[in-house]
Amino acid sequence: AQSVTQLDSQVPVFEEAPVELRCNYSSSVSVYLFWYVQYPNQGLQLLLKYLSGSTLVKGINGFEAEFNKSQTSFHLRKPSVHISDTAEYFCAVISERGAQKLVFGQGTRLTINP
Amino acid sequence: DVKVTQSSRYLVKRTGEKVFLECVQDMDHENMFWYRQDPGLGLRLIYFSYDVKMKEKGDIPEGYSVSREKKERFSLILESASTNQTSMYLCASSLLGAGAFFGQGTRLTVV
Repeated sequence: AQSVTQLDSQVPVFEEAPVELRCNYSSSVSVYLFWYVQYPNQGLQLLLKYLSGSTLVKGINGFEAEFNKSQTSFHLRKPSVHISDTAEYFCAVISERGAQKLVFGQGTRLTINP
Repeated sequence: DVKVTQSSRYLVKRTGEKVFLECVQDMDHENMFWYRQDPGLGLRLIYFSYDVKMKEKGDIPEGYSVSREKKERFSLILESASTNQTSMYLCASSLLGAGAFFGQGTRLTVV
């Protein structure tokens, strides 16, 4: 069975500062990894995904994430944040084969201060 | 674009009522999911389905059941609603590798 841990429930940063949101996963099989964003009062939308190949993946809105198999991590980064990045971010994992159960972490609330 | 439509944005039901939450997707996806979202707990998987009439329990199936009679439709049923089932319910569909696409959610209040 898979599980996901997001290490920070809240992350406050100043505008134009860099940010990293941390995600660790646990699985006995190979997985695909995702980051989703939820803006206030909206549904979830896909930010980026790792399926295979290059361990550095780029997503929408200037976000990127790095897959580290040895550390079972998939941290999300942005070099310079904007007020509009204020949202909740969710890391998720699904196994490559077998029962395709999509499991989410607890979420990280990113707050951007001017 | 993939569209996942949940039948209601807001619902208020009484304790003990049988409640149906409907979800329809238009992209022929095999996999469909029901989650509930509560502050500080993230998204918790209630049930998922990988084909018509096929379902598997997620992490918190107690008090819920599901139905998938057609590929595009996945229904969540609260057999006898209770106040601790007040929550935001999210439906999603996915094609493996493409990620999941979510509906707008149904905010259910049980009084």
